Amino acid sequence: NAGVTQTPKFQVLKTGQSMTLQCAQDMNHEYMSWYRQDPGMGLRLIHYSVGAGITDQGEVPNGYNVSRSTTEDFPLRLLSAAPSQTSVYFCASSSEIAGVGQFFGPGTRLTVL
Amino acid sequence: GNSVTQMEGPVTLSEEAFLTINCTYTATGYPSLFWYVQYPGEGLQLLLKATKADDKGSNKGFEATYRKETTSFHLEKGSVQVSDSAVYFCARGSNYKLTFGKGTLLTVNP
Repeated sequence: NAGVTQTPKFQVLKTGQSMTLQCAQDMNHEYMSWYRQDPGMGLRLIHYSVGAGITDQGEVPNGYNVSRSTTEDFPLRLLSAAPSQTSVYFCASSSEIAGVGQFFGPGTRLTVL
Repeated sequence: GNSVTQMEGPVTLSEEAFLTINCTYTATGYPSLFWYVQYPGEGLQLLLKATKADDKGSNKGFEATYRKETTSFHLEKGSVQVSDSAVYFCARGSNYKLTFGKGTLLTVNP
């Protein structure tokens, strides 16, 4: 199993550009989530999904869109990038078994100029 | 709302020293509690977990006990190694919605 994969690893955008961060998992997990990590802030939840076709907002959803058309994929879209979105983005997945915790991808480092 | 407070770092120890990283959480509901570790340039790895009061999670010599009375989940290790140098995150929540502490950088010197 590849686990949770994320592409790209690094990305530089200009203000106003759009892009999609890809996330895929091959563990047949129902639950998937996106977090951003900023220095001194820990990780904060952006959006999450409890199954195909079902998504909801987390703590910091503004400026980001998600959709979940398949169990495997959970892309994160930035419609108009802003410098405040410079961060490291982590995707995570989990099964429905209570308390097992989430499996994290390797992250995407995004810089918005 | 839900929150997690963990001790500020950085923490610097000598090899074979005893480690404690404090973590407290808000008591809303009955969350599961986790410790994650992040090595430089990598994603987060689950270190240990506990799902109910008095549960003890353990892995690789690390331990933490779910204390409902003190709303705490302190991480301990009796003898740290250089390879334990990393950032440690305490977290509470469910399988799709975690609230993290800000992280504690641990450096272990030989």
